[in-house]
Amino acid sequence: SQQGEEDPQALSIQEGENATMNCSYKTSINNLQWYRQNSGRGLVHLILIRSNEREKHSGRLRVTLDTSKKSSSLLITASRAADTASYFCATGVSQGAQKLVFGQGTRLTINP
Amino acid sequence: GAVVSQHPSRVICKSGTSVKIECRSLDFQATTMFWYRQFPKKSLMLMATSNEGSKATYEQGVEKDKFLINHASLTLSTLTVTSAHPEDSSFYICSARPGVSDSPLHFGNGTRLTVT
Repeated sequence: SQQGEEDPQALSIQEGENATMNCSYKTSINNLQWYRQNSGRGLVHLILIRSNEREKHSGRLRVTLDTSKKSSSLLITASRAADTASYFCATGVSQGAQKLVFGQGTRLTINP
Repeated sequence: GAVVSQHPSRVICKSGTSVKIECRSLDFQATTMFWYRQFPKKSLMLMATSNEGSKATYEQGVEKDKFLINHASLTLSTLTVTSAHPEDSSFYICSARPGVSDSPLHFGNGTRLTVT
């Protein structure tokens, strides 16, 4: 079953604008990760935030985590056309090898 | 570093035949690999966890006799779709992690399977 629900399912903005994607999950987690997927390709890891962290930055990416609300957000600032992709949150469930359960994803389109 | 190679990238097969997909960790050893399935414009569904030297752990609802997983070495896991049917057509992606259990996953580029 899917752990995360993402919002919005699709987002279309102009180049240069900021893009915000949200993720909600249901159970306790060890960490939450965001991945990017270009069409027809594998996923690329973007950023990991642990359950005891509230905010993390990496370049133009900013991730927040609110464990009380079981939610996270990914902000991409100063978007570029190359940011067009699908973005997925994934929660780390501690069961042996710690598998990741993915959300439904947000399809982001950056219009030049 | 931490490259995962998946082969083939695309395969078309006829109903009733079997297809093998390979997943290799090129520059690290992986005692565990994960196989996901993705439908168009949908999320990734974890199918199974591949364990080197032992049986794979399948997620609920995934037929282990249909999707055979073999993890014979620390750098190679294979997924064989047996007696394929058109409903098995999908995008299959493998992943592995080079570090500790809560470190990020590295993904192959996926295999597009079409069963005619």
